[in-house]
Amino acid sequence: KQEVTQIPAALSVPEGENLVLNCSFTDSAIYNLQWFRQDPGKGLTSLLLIQSSQREQTSGRLNASLDKSSGRSTLYIAASQPGDSATYLCAAQNSNSGYALNFGKGTSLLVTP
Amino acid sequence: NAGVTQTPKFQVLKTGQSMTLQCAQDMNHNSMYWYRQDPGMGLRLIYYSASEGTTDKGEVPNGYNVSRLNKREFSLRLESAAPSQTSVYFCASSERQITRVTGELFFGEGSRLTVL
Repeated sequence: KQEVTQIPAALSVPEGENLVLNCSFTDSAIYNLQWFRQDPGKGLTSLLLIQSSQREQTSGRLNASLDKSSGRSTLYIAASQPGDSATYLCAAQNSNSGYALNFGKGTSLLVTP
Repeated sequence: NAGVTQTPKFQVLKTGQSMTLQCAQDMNHNSMYWYRQDPGMGLRLIYYSASEGTTDKGEVPNGYNVSRLNKREFSLRLESAAPSQTSVYFCASSERQITRVTGELFFGEGSRLTVL
């Protein structure tokens, strides 16, 4: 069974800092890896998807990398803003369970002004 | 541009009552999923339907049943609700066929269920 771990569980940074969120997974035979954002009491917003054949994806100030051999993905947020405060979820997709996503427990990010 | 729609958004039940959570997607996706999200536990897969006419158990299926009514709709039923089923439930869908699409999952906004 795919196990996904996110470190740290919580992070607080001052506005303007660059930061890295870490995600590790135990089964490297993934189909793709998705990063989501979740605001309190809200649903999941997809941020980036990296297919297994890719090394990274970028969207604005966000950059996600994937290293299948080491079972790691990172989400890099440049020039953080208070509006980036949310929980960030990493999820790995394998071919089992109908290509369902296996989620980490998330990193709760607080960006202070 | 609805995507994945879940109803109801909020529900309070008493122990032993039954209810059905409805989910519909308008993206012509083959696969649909039900997850629950609990504090400190992350999202866990309850049931999934890889294609119309098929359903399978996920990680935490006990106490739930599902129906893939047609390609668009996938419902989750609690036959006899228990306080342990208090949670936020998310439905998702994806295009599973590996042709041109990425397999990305799209989520509904969630249904908050409280069982007293």
